[in-house]
Amino acid sequence: QVQLVQSGAEVKKPGASVKVSCKASGYTFTSYDINWVRQATGQGLEWMGWMNPNSGNTGYAQKFQGRVTMTRNTSISTAYMELSSLRSEDTAVYYCARAHYGDLFLDYWGQGTLVTVSS
Amino acid sequence: AIWMTQSPSLLSASTGDRVTISCRMSQGISSYLAWYQQKPGKAPELLIYAASTLQSGVPSRFSGSGSGTDFTLTISCLQSEDFATYYCQQYYSFPYTFGQGTKLEIK
Repeated sequence: QVQLVQSGAEVKKPGASVKVSCKASGYTFTSYDINWVRQATGQGLEWMGWMNPNSGNTGYAQKFQGRVTMTRNTSISTAYMELSSLRSEDTAVYYCARAHYGDLFLDYWGQGTLVTVSS
Repeated sequence: AIWMTQSPSLLSASTGDRVTISCRMSQGISSYLAWYQQKPGKAPELLIYAASTLQSGVPSRFSGSGSGTDFTLTISCLQSEDFATYYCQQYYSFPYTFGQGTKLEIK
């Protein structure tokens, strides 16, 4: 069965960077885009960007341009999302999600990773 | 970017009720719309894609309709497990934005 398993919670200081991992199993990793979505406590879903694990191509929401980097390691079927210059407003749960082949809706999601930014 | 207006933001209903949630786009997106359900402390789950196609395993009391700019999620006979927050998402054009969410609570 398709599974996306994310790394554990992180606590970071303002100005630092965080790198969240998302390990895929149960399907061919390179055949489906991975998207990243975040959710601040009590708030809605915010789409951050996508990555094609086959080519490494990425697309980022303008809000995160220059601060976010999405990468992958195909040998271990793992996608990564790194966010730099963290500020308190980046405190949120970060989700990876698989985009359905040929379409872009998100059919499988990771369990989420809480990133807390606090001095 | 495409702007989305999801309404209502809060919906109070009882078990057995029929409810509808609306999602309106700032421009036409054909049928490139998905609906997700999220329960507290959990990741969202896909309910409907292509505006009206039910994801495998989703109960038939859920249905979606619409195309272009106006879309609707309907739950025909609310069950206790349906009380959650619902989000629409357009995947017609980058960035693939979400609606603001509708919290469905027990009346």
